[in-house]
Amino acid sequence: EPEVTQTPSHQVTQMGQEVILRCVPISNHLYFYWYRQILGQKVEFLVSFYNNEISEKSEIFDDQFSVERPDGSNFTLKIRSTKLEDSAMYFCARGGGPGETQYFGPGTRLLVL
Amino acid sequence: GQNIDQPTEMTATEGAIVQINCTYQTSGFNGLFWYQQHAGEAPTFLSYNVLDGLEEKGRFSSFLSRSKGYSYLLLKELQMKDSASYLCAVRDRTGNQFYFGTGTSLTVIP
Repeated sequence: EPEVTQTPSHQVTQMGQEVILRCVPISNHLYFYWYRQILGQKVEFLVSFYNNEISEKSEIFDDQFSVERPDGSNFTLKIRSTKLEDSAMYFCARGGGPGETQYFGPGTRLLVL
Repeated sequence: GQNIDQPTEMTATEGAIVQINCTYQTSGFNGLFWYQQHAGEAPTFLSYNVLDGLEEKGRFSSFLSRSKGYSYLLLKELQMKDSASYLCAVRDRTGNQFYFGTGTSLTVIP
């Protein structure tokens, strides 16, 4: 049974449109992360959540991005006004805080045309 | 800045042992993680070290030397299914951010 599920598995959008990616952790944890991986490149940290608040953001995570936990369980990553270079795999991960292992969700493949 | 270095590619023979090295220079440290990633899939957690020494988990072992900024992943009794990319990642001091290396693409040949 997966630790984390993500929807949708694939998303195709037009440049300039907004997309919302969803992450559903199976069990409650304090630490959650969003990452992206552009095809053929390394995994890049976007943002971390601790105890329902953003705890750290990378330089990539600019005003175009936002995260929410609207219902106390699901996480969403919103990308406003998508650009071609936003095309990537987006992974949600749970755990990874001090003393914790980290488990990645299966990812959402985003393609911006 | 944060710097995580791994070899880009390695090839090894089925049944053999392979060691994948990772060196890091980060402003803070609170653990080093190893992941396996098959093409088109999510990273899968393999092991992590926060203290110096060797951690063993079946066919996989990971070693850490914090004073040298160095870790390695040891894979024993290689199988064809071990062909994948192996990612080294450092957790920062607060535990709130991870820095990944570019990954080592391992090819296991018969």
